[in-house]
Amino acid sequence: NAGVMQNPRHLVRRRGQEARLRCSPMKGHSHVYWYRQLPEEGLKFMVYLQKENIIDESGMPKERFSAEFPKEGPSILRIQQVVRGDSAAYFCASSPSTGDNEQFFGPGTRLTVL
Amino acid sequence: GESVGLHLPTLSVQEGDNSIINCAYSNSASDYFIWYKQESGKGPQFIIDIRSNMDKRQGQRVTVLLNKTVKHLSLQIAATQPGDSAVYFCAENIGGATNKLIFGTGTLLAVQP
Repeated sequence: NAGVMQNPRHLVRRRGQEARLRCSPMKGHSHVYWYRQLPEEGLKFMVYLQKENIIDESGMPKERFSAEFPKEGPSILRIQQVVRGDSAAYFCASSPSTGDNEQFFGPGTRLTVL
Repeated sequence: GESVGLHLPTLSVQEGDNSIINCAYSNSASDYFIWYKQESGKGPQFIIDIRSNMDKRQGQRVTVLLNKTVKHLSLQIAATQPGDSAVYFCAENIGGATNKLIFGTGTLLAVQP
């Protein structure tokens, strides 16, 4: 049973470009979470999605960031017009349902904005 | 506000000793807590969890203690090994409609051979 998959593992973008981060949850998991981690800091919640629905986006910046989890295919975190402050590691986690369920994390995508 | 913090940012121990990593949380409504281990360049790895109706839970070489009175969480690692060297995060789940985790800033555990 494959774990949470994220790609790309490393992404380099110039200021103003778009970044697309992909996350495939574990098999059988329908809940996806995105977190951002700045160097030497803890993970910060961004958004929680179920298939075709955004449940909680309280941690998402109001502009330039969007997320989706379509009926088919991976979850996508999209960052438009990237700035240097967007440089961070972005982690995706999945769980089978809500409640007190362990969230399984992927290896992360490390975004560097030049 | 919501916050989870750690008392010690860095902990250095000798191989074979026991390690204790502490964490304070501020949201008294949190009902589920998790410890994660993160090695360099990797995603967080689940270690152990505990629900708010418990005070203690044991795993293989690890024990988590929960003191709800003072909102304190600790992770004990027995017979610490070099492979335990990593950053350890506590996280709380405040429940409700969202399942989001609130992470602390992390403690770096350095195991000296």
